[in-house]
Amino acid sequence: KAGVTQTPRYLIKTRGQQVTLSCSPISGHRSVSWYQQTPGQGLQFLFEYFSETQRNKGNFPGRFSGRQFSNSRSEMNVSTLELGDSALYLCASSGEDRGAFFGQGTRLTVV
Amino acid sequence: AQSVTQLGSHVSVSEGALVLLRCNYSSSVPPYLFWYVQYPNQGLQLLLKYTSAATLVKGINGFEAEFKKSETSFHLTKPSAHMSDAAEYFCAVIDSGNTGKLIFGQGTTLQVKP
Repeated sequence: KAGVTQTPRYLIKTRGQQVTLSCSPISGHRSVSWYQQTPGQGLQFLFEYFSETQRNKGNFPGRFSGRQFSNSRSEMNVSTLELGDSALYLCASSGEDRGAFFGQGTRLTVV
Repeated sequence: AQSVTQLGSHVSVSEGALVLLRCNYSSSVPPYLFWYVQYPNQGLQLLLKYTSAATLVKGINGFEAEFKKSETSFHLTKPSAHMSDAAEYFCAVIDSGNTGKLIFGQGTTLQVKP
């Protein structure tokens, strides 16, 4: 089985711009979660989608949004980028056995 | 609410020595517990998971963890450290309710000395 695929791997954006990250889960997995990882805050949960519906949401501002498509692929969008949004963004997919498998992440740098 | 505490942000061992990374959890329901490893600029790789079956869980790369309900612990061990084990390790628990949301500890960086 193919693993979780995140694109792109690296991004450099300017403050005020917006960005869209993509995640393709493991085939058959219907749950996709997004996490932000920074040296200071560690791994923080952004949101979870299950069967195209947002099932959970973390404590992030409304600039962070996401969606899931009928094929379970997910995107997250960050609008009006700030320097503090620089981070590694990780996507995880889960199946019925509750084990979460992560992609390689997208390294976002905001300048 | 579920939570996870990893004791020790840095652990240093010699090659061939026992690896012990500590994790304590707080959970109002029987927990699903996980250990992940992260190498620099990589995603998280699942080492092992506890889902209320056997209390001693064997994972990849020679790692194992024992679930101890009385101590609310899920420590990760490996009998003999290898240089390639140097990485950051995260303990995690699934949040309560119908969710796949993981709650992570702060991570432990394992250094392996030759």
